[in-house]
Amino acid sequence: EAGVAQSPRYKIIEKRQSVAFWCNPISGHATLYWYQQILGQGPKLLIQFQNNGVVDDSQLPKDRFSAERLKGVDSTLKIQPAKLEDSAVYLCASSLGHGRTYEQYFGPGTRLTVT
Amino acid sequence: KQEVTQIPAALSVPEGENLVLNCSFTDSAIYNLQWFRQDPGKGLTSLLLIQSSQREQTSGRLNASLDKSSGRSTLYIAASQPGDSATYLCAVRIQGAQKLVFGQGTRLTINP
Repeated sequence: EAGVAQSPRYKIIEKRQSVAFWCNPISGHATLYWYQQILGQGPKLLIQFQNNGVVDDSQLPKDRFSAERLKGVDSTLKIQPAKLEDSAVYLCASSLGHGRTYEQYFGPGTRLTVT
Repeated sequence: KQEVTQIPAALSVPEGENLVLNCSFTDSAIYNLQWFRQDPGKGLTSLLLIQSSQREQTSGRLNASLDKSSGRSTLYIAASQPGDSATYLCAVRIQGAQKLVFGQGTRLTINP
């Protein structure tokens, strides 16, 4: 079974530029998560989708971050404009459902460096 | 607000030793607790998941315990090997919410 795919793996941009990340979850997984992991910290949930609807985006900086999940499969996370403090690894995860018993499977992440 | 803390932030031990990683959380109202492993440049791999009604889980050389009342969990690694070198993260799933709240991780180095 293929895992969660993410691209690109690395991205370097200047502040005030925009960037987009792509995630393809495990086939059949209804729930998709985007996490931000700053160096030396644990991952922090940015947004959670159930199919193509948003379940939780309480920690998403909505003035600069946006995310969508078209047709309930792939998802993109966009930052516009980027700030230096956005430098982090962005992890995508998926699970069969969003209940407490469903395990999350993580992709390799996209490392973003903002200069 | 749930907060998860892992101590120590980094640990270096010689190969073959048994070791314990610690995780504490402030709110005992959790569904479960999960331990993950993260290798450099890679995503998270789930190691063990303990439901709130359980006291411990074992997988090979790994044993995780949960004391919900005191807000603590430990990950015990027996007979450590250089391949165990990685960052270990614990996360709790809080009641009433579906998201995981992570600790900051313990970076473990096993020296040959």
